[in-house]
Amino acid sequence: AQTIHQWPVAEIKAVGSPLSLGCTIKGKSSPNLYWYWQATGGTLQQLFYSITVGQVESVVQLNLSASRPKDDQFILSTEKLLLSHSGFYLCAWSLTGTSDYTFGSGTRLLVI
Amino acid sequence: GDSVTQTEGLVTLTKGLPVMLNCTYQTTYSPFLFWYVQHLNEAPKLLLKSSTDNKRTEHQGFYATLHKSSSSFHLQKSSVQLSDSALYFCALSDGNNNNAPRFGAGTKLSVKP
Repeated sequence: AQTIHQWPVAEIKAVGSPLSLGCTIKGKSSPNLYWYWQATGGTLQQLFYSITVGQVESVVQLNLSASRPKDDQFILSTEKLLLSHSGFYLCAWSLTGTSDYTFGSGTRLLVI
Repeated sequence: GDSVTQTEGLVTLTKGLPVMLNCTYQTTYSPFLFWYVQHLNEAPKLLLKSSTDNKRTEHQGFYATLHKSSSSFHLQKSSVQLSDSALYFCALSDGNNNNAPRFGAGTKLSVKP
């Protein structure tokens, strides 16, 4: 069975500090991978997606970047955090041509 | 472009009553509609999905019917429970936007005893 794991579970970071969030998919090869951001009680805003290793497309950047260094790994990062980066970051996966779409358990980020 | 509209931001009901959460959409492609439920401090989970016109789909007591003629996919339940309190998102995928659903603003359902 496929599993999706996000790390860390939660972070408290200072404004201006760097950030790296990770997402790993096990049990599926060549999944489509996505990063979403959610403000508290808000809607889900897609940030990035990746169809294959080494290729990442930006939907909304929000001063963040993403990379896919391996088939099963998706990284979200920034060199300088802003207060507005606080929120819930969700990784998701799907298979090309199917409608199945599954979220990871998320990373809660507080920037102070 | 594609869009999803959920008209209610907050719905408050007493346990045991029926509920309908509205969802309408716009797309020029063939639509695939989803309902996701997100409980407090958890990730969204798929509740229902459909791409078949006028066919009711059900899961965990919730049901919805995709009506392409009115571009709607309303979520219903005949008797809400306290555990149904959560954030509900309607989402649209047309197979064109990198397969990723576009989400509505969400409706918070609050069920009181």
